[in-house]
Amino acid sequence: DAGVIQSPRHEVTEMGQEVTLRCKPISGHNSLFWYRQTMMRGLELLIYFNNNVPIDDSGMPEDRFSAKMPNASFSTLKIQPSEPRDSAVYFCASSRDRDTEAFFGQGTRLTVV
Amino acid sequence: KNEVEQSPQNLTAQEGEFITINCSYSVGISALHWLQQHPGGGIVSLFMLSSGKKKHGRLIATINIQEKHSSLHITASHPRDSAVYICAVRRGAQKLVFGQGTRLTINP
Repeated sequence: DAGVIQSPRHEVTEMGQEVTLRCKPISGHNSLFWYRQTMMRGLELLIYFNNNVPIDDSGMPEDRFSAKMPNASFSTLKIQPSEPRDSAVYFCASSRDRDTEAFFGQGTRLTVV
Repeated sequence: KNEVEQSPQNLTAQEGEFITINCSYSVGISALHWLQQHPGGGIVSLFMLSSGKKKHGRLIATINIQEKHSSLHITASHPRDSAVYICAVRRGAQKLVFGQGTRLTINP
């Protein structure tokens, strides 16, 4: 398996634009997580899905952020409209179930100017 | 006070030294993770444990549930071990809380 695949690896966009980050989890994994990492706050869990259903989105910073998982092999994290303070590295991770280790993608480095 | 505290924040050692990184947490947990973040940014899950000890190669992780403390040990450290090591605890159903990380530098 190729592991968790995220795209794009880097994204630079202007303030106010819509940004969509994509994630393909490892096949057979039932749980998918979106994290954000910044210098100030470290790693934070934004949202996680279990069997394609959002279970906990309490980490989503505000209504500008939304995440979907239309099927077991694909998820998106959308920011609309984007702001400079959204600049961070966004990681997607998946795990087989709630009690097993999570595998991380390489991350998407987002810069909003 | 953070729910997850790591120490030290930064650690520099010489190749071959035995390394210990500590993680203390203040809440009840169901599992604890140790993650490694390479200088390039990629994150690798090293261990997930809920009791006792786990070993993988030169890495050993221990946890003491009563004391709410875990340690990550690296034996015969090598410059390629240089990375940020992150402790994360799981509370309830899948909610991970992260420590701020320990930056380890191993000099040749």
